[in-house]
Amino acid sequence: DAMVIQNPRYQVTQFGKPVTLSCSQTLNHNVMYWYQQKSSQAPKLLFHYYDKDFNNEADTPDNFQSRRPNTSFCFLDIRSPGLGDAAMYLCATSASPGQGGSGFYEQYFGPGTRLTVT
Amino acid sequence: AQSVSQHNHHVILSEAASLELGCNYSYGGTVNLFWYVQYPGQHLQLLLKYFSGDPLVKGIKGFEAEFIKSKFSFNLRKPSVQWSDTAEYFCAVISGGYNKLIFGAGTRLAVHP
Repeated sequence: DAMVIQNPRYQVTQFGKPVTLSCSQTLNHNVMYWYQQKSSQAPKLLFHYYDKDFNNEADTPDNFQSRRPNTSFCFLDIRSPGLGDAAMYLCATSASPGQGGSGFYEQYFGPGTRLTVT
Repeated sequence: AQSVSQHNHHVILSEAASLELGCNYSYGGTVNLFWYVQYPGQHLQLLLKYFSGDPLVKGIKGFEAEFIKSKFSFNLRKPSVQWSDTAEYFCAVISGGYNKLIFGAGTRLAVHP
């Protein structure tokens, strides 16, 4: 089945120690998104890639970076995690207007990575 | 900028009761609207979506939603809830050219047997 995969599902890191979360997809979608979801809150978009074009949300801290080496993979790097960065991080993908097809405009979410900062 | 309001943060119902969760978005024009559900410990799943056409949209698991343009609303309904519907429900709207999803704050539904 085509899907969005996130690894690891649970990640524990120390305060200030860089951490990388990974996302892969088999849907061949050209748009990939990273969301942060804190406990009992709505998912909040951090940034997205349209193909190789990176689009940062205005209020995303500089501490958060992303890489997309190819269509299938996207990484979220947190350079110096703070206690306030503990959250669930969700990866999603979607087709774009140029791709069309089923699932047009629909975002498909991965299971998330729960990050704990100690 | 587009925004989404969900009026009820917590809803408690008994099994077989009817459900209606409110959702309003901030401005008109062409809108693409979604309801997502997040069961405890699970990932976000799409319940239903509205892009155009019939304003009454049928989704999975017996859910439906009605798009009322004049009221900027997209309320979610289910005639008879089950215990397994206990979850958090998010209304969302697309904003911008890259399918950016703006989520409402969510409604936590608890269904008691």
